[in-house]
Amino acid sequence: LAKTTQPISMDSYEGQEVNITCSHNNIATNDYITWYQQFPSQGPRFIIQGYKTKVTNEVASLFIPADRKSSTLSLPRVSLSDTAVYYCLVVEGRRDDKIIFGKGTRLHILP
Amino acid sequence: GAVVSQHPSRVICKSGTSVKIECRSLDFQATTMFWYRQFPKQSLMLMATSNEGSKATYEQGVEKDKFLINHASLTLSTLTVTSAHPEDSSFYICSARATGEETQYFGPGTRLLVL
Repeated sequence: LAKTTQPISMDSYEGQEVNITCSHNNIATNDYITWYQQFPSQGPRFIIQGYKTKVTNEVASLFIPADRKSSTLSLPRVSLSDTAVYYCLVVEGRRDDKIIFGKGTRLHILP
Repeated sequence: GAVVSQHPSRVICKSGTSVKIECRSLDFQATTMFWYRQFPKQSLMLMATSNEGSKATYEQGVEKDKFLINHASLTLSTLTVTSAHPEDSSFYICSARATGEETQYFGPGTRLLVL
């Protein structure tokens, strides 16, 4: 299982773009990169998933360089409600492999 | 996205009693579900992998006789905390992935408080 490393915490202000970078140097060929968001006392919520290059949905963008050893979650124009813990995970695709969570990044949005 | 539910959302019980938590995939079938435990201000810790029709696989340090897992159908897994003690008080979360897909979806969690 590829290990991920991400900042413990980040602060930003409302309306700003927030980029959270995650490193996964040992990512394997079949691995996908997945980001989850978790609010207090709730289960993690899927944000975005990608394999390479760039993926965008209505919530976020995910940038993955060619070597795939890192990835950046980009949250455009954050609001106070984006204050949460964000987890970067590397998961082997199309198999029932377990997910091991790292510590995540605690994002605090300030008014 | 796919929906995973948990019941109950919170439970308070006396020390020594057993508590059952249900995890259901509402709109998809999952041959495998996962159970996590999360203490305050900490990350999710994987407890076990629940396989439909077979025995669960427990992570190191998790007592299989204390945390009984039953995955009787493709949409339901249950976790029973037997003879619960105050140190078992935690937030229990399940997850599931539709067969053949990459994304794993999580339930809303169950808050267990053992008095």
